[in-house]
Amino acid sequence: AQRVTQPEKLLSVFKGAPVELKCNYSYSGSPELFWYVQYSRQRLQLLLRHISRESIKGFTADLNKGETSFHLKKPFAQEEDSAMYYCALSGSGAGSYQLTFGKGTKLSVIP
Amino acid sequence: KAGVTQTPRYLIKTRGQQVTLSCSPISGHRSVSWYQQTPGQGLQFLFEYFSETQRNKGNFPGRFSGRQFSNSRSEMNVSTLELGDSALYLCASREQGADNEQFFGPGTRLTVL
Repeated sequence: AQRVTQPEKLLSVFKGAPVELKCNYSYSGSPELFWYVQYSRQRLQLLLRHISRESIKGFTADLNKGETSFHLKKPFAQEEDSAMYYCALSGSGAGSYQLTFGKGTKLSVIP
Repeated sequence: KAGVTQTPRYLIKTRGQQVTLSCSPISGHRSVSWYQQTPGQGLQFLFEYFSETQRNKGNFPGRFSGRQFSNSRSEMNVSTLELGDSALYLCASREQGADNEQFFGPGTRLTVL
């Protein structure tokens, strides 16, 4: 069974401080990992995925297969980063596409 | 392109009734997935449709069903509603292909009284 754990329900940081949103996963094969973000009154949208290895809005995430983690990081938090963040996993292989989500972490950036 | 649209946006039903929710994917997207979002369980996968065929189903009772039409529009149906079915139901679409992003709709807020 696949599972995604986000240990923090709420994370509050001051503007300009570093941010790290934790995500751990359980999956027997080679997963695809994603971070989704939901800003207030907006729909859920993809922030980044591990296979693209991009930095989006200053955020990065590295897949650590040894620790089964995919933590989201940003060196300097901005007020506009305040949102709900979801870590998600998709099993590898062709065919069906199913995302397993963590319960989410609400990031609050204090001015 | 227009985004994923879902109708209705809000719905109130009573226990025992049934409900049908609709999703129109982004033009050209043939894969449509449904998710249930609740405060307690978070986002949970319901099912995925591709070319009118259900390819995958989550761990939900048979009261939850869906279908997809030839134009890729999808509906999900919940019969014999229970209080615990109150949730935000999200639809997402994607193009076929391993790297294609899944785009989410705004959701339908279902309240069961």
